Amino acid sequence: EPEVTQTPSHQVTQMGQEVILRCVPISNHLYFYWYRQILGQKVEFLVSFYNNEISEKSEIFDDQFSVERPDGSNFTLKIRSTKLEDSAMYFCASSERARRQDTQYFGPGTRLTVL
Amino acid sequence: KNQVEQSPQSLIILEGKNCTLQCNYTVSPFSNLRWYKQDTGRGPVSLTIMTFSENTKSNGRYTATLDADTKQSSLHITASQLSDSASYICVVTRPRTDSWGKLQFGAGTQVVVTP
Repeated sequence: EPEVTQTPSHQVTQMGQEVILRCVPISNHLYFYWYRQILGQKVEFLVSFYNNEISEKSEIFDDQFSVERPDGSNFTLKIRSTKLEDSAMYFCASSERARRQDTQYFGPGTRLTVL
Repeated sequence: KNQVEQSPQSLIILEGKNCTLQCNYTVSPFSNLRWYKQDTGRGPVSLTIMTFSENTKSNGRYTATLDADTKQSSLHITASQLSDSASYICVVTRPRTDSWGKLQFGAGTQVVVTP
């Protein structure tokens, strides 16, 4: 069964460094998402992406964040200058469409630790 | 502020028993309600999706109900198995003309099934 994959599974970085989290969505899906989950807290929406554009973003997704689909398979989340509070599990998700009953399929997540 | 509240926060049940998890939401307007299962350290997996016009949806031993008038939903797990140990998350979306993608997550109910 097709699945969303994410790399790396765990990323450790120093505060102020740039990180890029990578995702490979399910191949026929057109809509892509990033969510984050701070340890012990609920999953929070960051951004949705379609047709090479951001569809919607949350207040968390400030100028330090950017997303890109550099080729036909990868979908990346870049954090330009990481802060301690960026430490979290980052989940990528994809859906075939973005209609009312479309399922979003989540990847296994990347655990980001900022020191 | 839109809210998705779940109860109980955690639950311990014996293998083979049934249990019911609750979700109250104040998200308005409301498009659909989803239940996800999240194993520790993994991404959420969709169990059910219901629109505001649906009252119940089943997926194997999982049955979700929705009362859009009272803004309440429940997830019933029948004949629990050890593999049901996970966090069960209620997720609500608001309607948008161009994207249904922004999922609003509850904090989850942590279910532990014991032998």
